[in-house]
Amino acid sequence: AQSVTQPDIHITVSEGASLELRCNYSYGATPYLFWYVQSPGQGLQLLLKYFSGDTLVQGIKGFEAEFKRSQSSFNLRKPSVHWSDAAEYFCAVGAGWNYGQNFVFGPGTRLSVLP
Amino acid sequence: DGGITQSPKYLFRKEGQNVTLSCEQNLNHDAMYWYRQDPGQGLRLIYYSQIVNDFQKGDIAEGYSVSREKKESFPLTVTSAQKNPTAFYLCASRGNPGETQYFGPGTRLLVL
Repeated sequence: AQSVTQPDIHITVSEGASLELRCNYSYGATPYLFWYVQSPGQGLQLLLKYFSGDTLVQGIKGFEAEFKRSQSSFNLRKPSVHWSDAAEYFCAVGAGWNYGQNFVFGPGTRLSVLP
Repeated sequence: DGGITQSPKYLFRKEGQNVTLSCEQNLNHDAMYWYRQDPGQGLRLIYYSQIVNDFQKGDIAEGYSVSREKKESFPLTVTSAQKNPTAFYLCASRGNPGETQYFGPGTRLLVL
């Protein structure tokens, strides 16, 4: 079974600073990787996904993520954080193309942004 | 306007009471999911349905039940057997295999 860890429970950055949120996964084959964002009391919104091909994927809101197979990582980055980016971020991994119910979320990283 | 709707936004349950959370989608998606979200624990899968009239238990199905009589609807019942139901419940749907899941806005369940 696959698993996901997000080592940072809470991160605080200043507005305009760069951001990197870490995600490590465990899965024996090529994973399907996702990053979601959740504002308080809301559902989850997909930021970006990796299925295959170019290991650097671009998403919405200026986010990008890089898949590194050798490190089993899929870290999320943004060059300049905006106050509206304050939210909870979840990394997720699907086991295979037709992942069905084999879809696991990490525990989340809460991002706070200082003015 | 396509999407997933969940109702109600807030739900209060009394001791010994069963309550039902609604999830409706007009995306024509085959697969639908129910997740429970607790602080610091991410999302945990309660039930999953890949097609109409079929569903499977997820990691924490005890105390919950579902039905899938229509493609667009996947209601979740929190039974009195669920001793700690206070949580945020999220419904999601997925189209073709390999696609991502799309989430509803959630229902917060509180116990009186």
